[in-house]
Amino acid sequence: EVQLLESGGGLVQPGGSLRLSCAASGFTFTSYVMSWVRQAPGKGLEWVSGISGSGSNIYYADSVKGRFTISRDNSKSTLYLQMNGLRGEDTAVYYCAKARTNSWNVPFDNWGQGTLVTVSS
Amino acid sequence: EVVLTQSPGTLSLSPGERATLSCRASQSVSSSFLAWYQQKPGQAPRLLIYGASTRATGIPDRFSGSGSGTDFTLTISRLEPEDFAVYYCQQYGNSPKYTFGQGTKLEIK
Repeated sequence: EVQLLESGGGLVQPGGSLRLSCAASGFTFTSYVMSWVRQAPGKGLEWVSGISGSGSNIYYADSVKGRFTISRDNSKSTLYLQMNGLRGEDTAVYYCAKARTNSWNVPFDNWGQGTLVTVSS
Repeated sequence: EVVLTQSPGTLSLSPGERATLSCRASQSVSSSFLAWYQQKPGQAPRLLIYGASTRATGIPDRFSGSGSGTDFTLTISRLEPEDFAVYYCQQYGNSPKYTFGQGTKLEIK
């Protein structure tokens, strides 16, 4: 059974930093594209960033480019999101999402339960 | 960026009725790379349909998807109590710039 378990969320001041983690199990982690998707309170879904299975290809939404860094440690089956320069509009539940295959042209077939990031003074 | 517009914003129906949800794209979606997700309060989204019409693993056959180009539809043939939720469409043809619709809330009438 695929399991994705996010951690690292919390309350942070504007301009601050936070690092999210997503521990994966139940599948061959290195064989899949992984992404972070966020959802502001009461709002819809927004893709944030994605990384290929090997980690060699990385993409970001324009809204976070230059502030967020995605990475993965395949030896630990863990996905990360380093978030710097946080703003109020970054407040959201952050989901870790697994692609159906190690391709970019596929949907997300498994999601974690999410971790809440609140940016406020 | 491909903008997805879902309609209606809220759909009020009764169990046993048929639900029809629409998703319109601002430009043609490559190779019908269109998915539908269901999200219940406090839960993560769940993949229902991909490739515009293929049901994901374990999804009941009362859920069906159709469409191509810029117009897509999710149909729930006979609503069960557990189907009342928010539904999102997503395009992944213009990847990795994935985009989602704003959602349709399906509520009990």
